[in-house]
Amino acid sequence: EIVMTQSPATLSVSPGERATLSCRASQSISSNLAWYQQKPGQAPRLLIYGASTRATGIPARFSGSGSGTEFTLTISSLQSEDFAVYYCQHYNNWRTFGQGTKVEIK
Amino acid sequence: QVQLVESGGGVVQPGRSLRLSCAASEFTFSHHAMHWVRQAPGKGLEWVAFTSHDGTNTYYADSVKGRFTIYRDNSKNTLYLQMNSLKPEDTAVYYCAREGLWRPDIHAFDIWGQGTMVTVSS
Repeated sequence: EIVMTQSPATLSVSPGERATLSCRASQSISSNLAWYQQKPGQAPRLLIYGASTRATGIPARFSGSGSGTEFTLTISSLQSEDFAVYYCQHYNNWRTFGQGTKVEIK
Repeated sequence: QVQLVESGGGVVQPGRSLRLSCAASEFTFSHHAMHWVRQAPGKGLEWVAFTSHDGTNTYYADSVKGRFTIYRDNSKNTLYLQMNSLKPEDTAVYYCAREGLWRPDIHAFDIWGQGTMVTVSS
C-alpha cells in the first residue's frame, strides 16, 4: 500500500503571501497525483490532477509540481478564500489520500 | 448542473445495516467510474470503495472489505453503498465522487456530492 505523507500539518500564512505544501509518496507514483481543497462543512474540490494540471475553473495562483515521490502545491498569493485544508491523493494503483495540511491565517 | 446527491445516512446501532444512495444528474453517469469516500468527524479523507463505469469491477479499502458493497444502477443514474455489520469506527460523512474523463491514466475525482452523515452508536 502506498502511503501519502503531507507536511506541514498546519501552515500559518498571511494574506498575499506564498504558501508551499508538500506531499510525499512512500514509493514512486509517477505523476499520478491530485490535490483537493476542503473548506469547513463542504465537500472537497479538485484543484490539480496529473501533479501539475489545474482543474477547470481553478485560479492560476494554484500550481502543482513534482513527480515520482515528491510533490508540491504552491499558492502564489493567498486570498481569504484559500484558507482551508488541502489533501493530496495518489491514483497510481489505488486512491489513497494524505492526512491533509491546514492553511490558516497568520 | 452536474451534481451528485447522497442520501440514506442516519443513526444506526452497531452490527446493523444501512444503504446509502447517490443520485447523479446532468451528465452521462454510465461513462464514469465512481467512488465512495468518507471522513470521520474532525479527521481526514479516507477512500472507501470503487466501481467501474459498468459495475463489473469493484474494489474496497481493507477497513470495509467483506462488510460494504458498492454497486450501481446505470438505468437509474444512481450509485449505492450497502453497509453491513456496522462498527462505531464507520461513523463519518460519506461522499460519493465521480472520476473525471481525461486520459485513461488520470483518475482524479472531479465531482463530489455534499455528503451524508452516518453515525454508528448504541
